[in-house]
Amino acid sequence: QQQVKQSPQSLIVQKGGISIINCAYENTAFDYFPWYQQFPGKGPALLIAIRPDVSEKKEGRFTISFNKSAKQFSLHIMDSQPGDSATYFCAASMIADNYGQNFVFGPGTRLSVLP
Amino acid sequence: DGGITQSPKYLFRKEGQNVTLSCEQNLNHDAMYWYRQDPGQGLRLIYYSQIVNDFQKGDIAEGYSVSREKKESFPLTVTSAQKNPTAFYLCASSGDRARNIQYFGAGTRLSVL
Repeated sequence: QQQVKQSPQSLIVQKGGISIINCAYENTAFDYFPWYQQFPGKGPALLIAIRPDVSEKKEGRFTISFNKSAKQFSLHIMDSQPGDSATYFCAASMIADNYGQNFVFGPGTRLSVLP
Repeated sequence: DGGITQSPKYLFRKEGQNVTLSCEQNLNHDAMYWYRQDPGQGLRLIYYSQIVNDFQKGDIAEGYSVSREKKESFPLTVTSAQKNPTAFYLCASSGDRARNIQYFGAGTRLSVL
């Protein structure tokens, strides 16, 4: 129930195209859903996040779509650029007394944007 | 600048040697975490600490040890009992329980000589 599933494992997109990464969770206690971007040799950086009471959040070219009933959320990268090539992790978090169980990462998606 | 500082960036371990990875934060966060990342893989939780002088094992704690003597510092020791230590190690902290976001350092890459 603590797992977050993420797909695809890898994604290749042409420059200017739309990149879509999907995640799904089981535990309805999760109440915050951040996405992280990680470049090779660097630590993950917070990209965008959403709460389950909102169906969509947009920041620049990045949009999170959230489907609470299906327990699914996705990241859309519009007008994808070669500089977007990175590994993307979805995550789910909740307020919990045990900090070891309150934050779960998906396995990651390696995005390559071709010039 | 506020943030999380990990050092060194690269570290080499000889057989039978213990090595310590440093993690310092000036974000005034209560919670700190250590993750291991293998090539092309996700993040696996090694240890976490919710408060000074307290820490708990994560999913893959065997062969590792930590201490939390100061709020700002959460060093990780990779002991000789960890037979496959080559990986990218990431330290994170969180302080806002309402949003529960984790912020990461730049990582330490550990290799075995």
